[in-house]
Amino acid sequence: GDSVTQMEGPVTLSEEAFLTINCTYTATGYPSLFWYVQYPGEGLQLLLKATKADDKGSNKGFEATYRKETTSFHLEKGSVQVSDSAVYFCALMYGNNRLAFGKGNQVVVIP
Amino acid sequence: NAGVTQTPKFRILKIGQSMTLQCTQDMNHNYMYWYRQDPGMGLKLIYYSVGAGITDKGEVPNGYNVSRSTTEDFPLRLELAAPSQTSVYFCATLAGKYNEQFFGPGTRLTVL
Repeated sequence: GDSVTQMEGPVTLSEEAFLTINCTYTATGYPSLFWYVQYPGEGLQLLLKATKADDKGSNKGFEATYRKETTSFHLEKGSVQVSDSAVYFCALMYGNNRLAFGKGNQVVVIP
Repeated sequence: NAGVTQTPKFRILKIGQSMTLQCTQDMNHNYMYWYRQDPGMGLKLIYYSVGAGITDKGEVPNGYNVSRSTTEDFPLRLELAAPSQTSVYFCATLAGKYNEQFFGPGTRLTVL
């Protein structure tokens, strides 16, 4: 079935560093792809999305490009802040607008 | 608009007890979803509904039941709580131009 794989393990980096979180997917066809963010003690919020190949989603300085050749949707930010510390989930949408999520990556930004 | 509200925020159950997790949305969308989130495991779909009177199983439905008598409400029922059901539960509906899922704040459930 359709699935999403995120890179293993937490990510710890210093303020103003470059962030990349890898996400690859397996799906029939070309599903819509999403990144959600979860701040401590809160629910999930949509960060950005892409609905077709070569689309670039962007929000709050984060970007991700839908690459069908590599079945990837990697999340990037050029200069992280302490306030970006959160858990980030990659997801794809399949039948009846259901979401399949990756396991998530904890990001910790150190001042 | 409140969006999606969930009650309670926290609950501790004893093994074998039952409870209902409430979810209400005011976004007037037909589609609603229940997920559970276990540490390091992402979110798994329990049940979903495409409209009042219609429900279907997700990936991990065992031990749960749902009903959908109105567009607004989608309660999740645990009949015989087990420690394996300790988790954070999120309800969601659809919103936006591309039907993104919009999540409630969650219910943290512990079964002892």
